[in-house]
Amino acid sequence: DAGVIQSPRHEVTEMGQEVTLRCKPISGHDYLFWYRQTMMRGLELLIYFNNNVPIDDSGMPEDRFSAKMPNASFSTLKIQPSEPRDSAVYFCASSSWTVAYEQYFGPGTRLTVT
Amino acid sequence: KNEVEQSPQNLTAQEGEFITINCSYSVGISALHWLQQHPGGGIVSLFMLSSGKKKHGRLIATINIQEKHSSLHITASHPRDSAVYICAGKHSGGGADGLTFGKGTHLIIQP
Repeated sequence: DAGVIQSPRHEVTEMGQEVTLRCKPISGHDYLFWYRQTMMRGLELLIYFNNNVPIDDSGMPEDRFSAKMPNASFSTLKIQPSEPRDSAVYFCASSSWTVAYEQYFGPGTRLTVT
Repeated sequence: KNEVEQSPQNLTAQEGEFITINCSYSVGISALHWLQQHPGGGIVSLFMLSSGKKKHGRLIATINIQEKHSSLHITASHPRDSAVYICAGKHSGGGADGLTFGKGTHLIIQP
């Protein structure tokens, strides 16, 4: 299996622009997580899905952030409009009972908002 | 107060030394994950445990549920073990759950 796939790997955008991050979980995994990592706050959970349904979105910073999972093999995290404080590395992870709920992380998307 | 506390924050040791990283967690956390993040940024899951002890190669993870404490040990440390080690707690007893992370321990093993 290719593992969790994220795209793009790097994104540089200007403040006010819309940013869309993409994630393909490991095939067969029914949980998908979005995390954010910054120097100041470390790793934080943003939202997670089970069977494509959002279960906990309490970590989503504000209305500018939205996440969708239209099917079992694809999820997006959208920021609109983006702000410099959104600059971070965004990780996607997936899991399943078949791996005893260990989480497998993607390589991350490094977002820079200027 | 963070639900997951790690120590030390930074650790430098010589090759071959026995390494211990500690993690304390709060009530409500049902399982602990230990993660490794290399300088390139990728995150790898090392262990997930809710009781007892697990071993993989030179890595050993233990958890004491009564004391709400977990440790990650590295035996015969090597420069390639240099990385950030992060413990993370899971709340729900069943299924997967979003993780609450410690601040990480930056480990450097000098040759």
